[in-house]
Amino acid sequence: EAAVTQSPRNKVAVTGGKVTLSCNQTNNHNNMYWYRQDTGHGLRLIHYSYGAGSTEKGDIPDGYKASRPSQENFSLILELATPSQTSVYFCASGDAGKNTLYFGAGTRLSVL
Amino acid sequence: GDQVEQSPSALSLHEGTDSALRCNFTTTMRSVQWFRQNSRGSLISLFYLASGTKENGRLKSAFDSKERRYSTLHIRDAQLEDSGTYFCAAEPINTGNYKYVFGAGTRLKVIA
Repeated sequence: EAAVTQSPRNKVAVTGGKVTLSCNQTNNHNNMYWYRQDTGHGLRLIHYSYGAGSTEKGDIPDGYKASRPSQENFSLILELATPSQTSVYFCASGDAGKNTLYFGAGTRLSVL
Repeated sequence: GDQVEQSPSALSLHEGTDSALRCNFTTTMRSVQWFRQNSRGSLISLFYLASGTKENGRLKSAFDSKERRYSTLHIRDAQLEDSGTYFCAAEPINTGNYKYVFGAGTRLKVIA
């Protein structure tokens, strides 16, 4: 069974602070994704990656950076967190051949 | 602009009844996936389709293979455990591979 683990599960940050959300997958999938979910918007793609060392901008990348140091790990970095980045963040991995997405449990981030 | 339009946005069903959810796409899609999000926020993959139809128990999904501009999810004999929010996610042909766009979701409540 596909396993995608996100940490932390909950985070409270202060405006202007740095936040790092981590994601680990044990499926050996090439592709990994970061989405945020807000009421009325569904899931929106922030950054994604095709493999170790690769990061690509999604549909709403402003204010976020991503890092893919290895096949297993994909991080989302908020250098200067703002209250508008309060949201639930989901990480997903997918097989390059048949790209069914497997999601982590989500991280609830509040920026005060 | 919005590429995936889901309908209805919310739906109440009595147990034992049937219904259909729909996603319309404003551009041609390569593939589509359907997910259910439960009350804990977990996203579970239901179907991945590059064409045609797939069926799993009381759920059946179809992807318009000709124009590739819509997909449907049929729920037969609805049960209480079917309640949740259903999302479709589609991969535009004219963007990078494996980059999925989500609809805003259909909130389904099954009542006894």
